[in-house]
Amino acid sequence: KQEVTQIPAALSVPEGENLVLNCSFTDSAIYNLQWFRQDPGKGLTSLLLIQSSQREQTSGRLNASLDKSSGRSTLYIAASQPGDSATYLCAGENTGNQFYFGTGTSLTVIP
Amino acid sequence: EAQVTQNPRYLITVTGKKLTVTCSQNMNHEYMSWYRQDPGLGLRQIYYSMNVEVTDKGDVPEGYKVSRKEKRNFPLILESPSPNQTSLYFCASSLLGSGNTIYFGEGSWLTVV
Repeated sequence: KQEVTQIPAALSVPEGENLVLNCSFTDSAIYNLQWFRQDPGKGLTSLLLIQSSQREQTSGRLNASLDKSSGRSTLYIAASQPGDSATYLCAGENTGNQFYFGTGTSLTVIP
Repeated sequence: EAQVTQNPRYLITVTGKKLTVTCSQNMNHEYMSWYRQDPGLGLRQIYYSMNVEVTDKGDVPEGYKVSRKEKRNFPLILESPSPNQTSLYFCASSLLGSGNTIYFGEGSWLTVV
């Protein structure tokens, strides 16, 4: 069964720092990968989707990469802002439309 | 506006009292699913549906039922809720096929006493 680990579980950084969040899968046979943001008491919002033929995706200050051979993904946030404070989750998708979520990294950006 | 709407958002109920959490999406998505989120365990899939009248078990289906009579609706039914079903529940939808963005509802906080 697919297990997804996110490191670190929590992270606190001063505003302006660049940071990296990590996600790894026990089964590297991931077809697609998505990164989500979850604000307290809210649902998940998709940030970036890396499709099977891609290795990375960028949106504004966010960059996500996927190394299928090792079953690892990273989310890079440049020039962090207090508004980036949230929990970030990764989810791997298999070819059958099933998603496996990590437990998330709780990010706090200190002004 | 693209939306997945869940109701109720907050509910406290007693053990054994049947309840239904509704989910509706306005994006004409074929794929819908239910997750529960528990501290330290992340999101775990309960049931999913790839189209009308097509449903399948996820990782933690015990104690839950679903139905998909219409494309836009995917209710989650707890026939006899127990305290271990106290959790935060999310409904999600997407187009069918891999590599599509998933849209989530805002969540339903359920407490069973």
